[in-house]
Amino acid sequence: DAGVIQSPRHEVTEMGQEVTLRCKPISGHNSLFWYRQTMMRGLELLIYFNNNVPIDDSGMPEDRFSAKMPNASFSTLKIQPSEPRDSAVYFCASSQAGPVEEKLFFGSGTQLSVL
Amino acid sequence: TQLLEQSPQFLSIQEGENLTVYCNSSSVFSSLQWYRQEPGEGPVLLVTVVTGGEVKKLKRLTFQFGDARKDSSLHITAAQPGDTGLYLCAGDPNNFGNEKLTFGTGTRLTIIP
Repeated sequence: DAGVIQSPRHEVTEMGQEVTLRCKPISGHNSLFWYRQTMMRGLELLIYFNNNVPIDDSGMPEDRFSAKMPNASFSTLKIQPSEPRDSAVYFCASSQAGPVEEKLFFGSGTQLSVL
Repeated sequence: TQLLEQSPQFLSIQEGENLTVYCNSSSVFSSLQWYRQEPGEGPVLLVTVVTGGEVKKLKRLTFQFGDARKDSSLHITAAQPGDTGLYLCAGDPNNFGNEKLTFGTGTRLTIIP
């Protein structure tokens, strides 16, 4: 398996622009997570989907952030409008929820810079 | 929010030396995971510990879960340059699974050849 695939790897944009980050989870996994990582705050969970349904979006910082999962193999995280403080590395992760240990697999991340 | 504090924040040692990094909290966790993250990549799960006092070994890495399940340590024997990376601990507060994982701030380890 190719693992969790994220695109783009790097994104540089100007304040006010819309940013869309993409994620393809591991085939067969039914849970998908979006995280944000910064030096100051570490790794924070933004939103979690189970079977394509958003379960917990309490980590989404503001209404400028939205996430969708239209099918089991694709998810997007959108920031509109973007602000400099959104600059961070955004990770997507997936796992197979079940009665035994759920191993979490991370993608390589998208490095976002908002100027 | 249950906080996980990791120490030291940064550690730089010579190849061949031994080291221990720590993950501490005032809260109890049902399980605790350790990840290693290399530059430009996502975290990779190394081990999960679930029982108080549990010790798990992964080659030169030894992981221990505290008896009270509030803390954990990672000991590396004869460190190698390939061990360089950011080490993250993550706790599950009540067996909720990955959706309730709390990540520590990490220990950035550099092994000097």
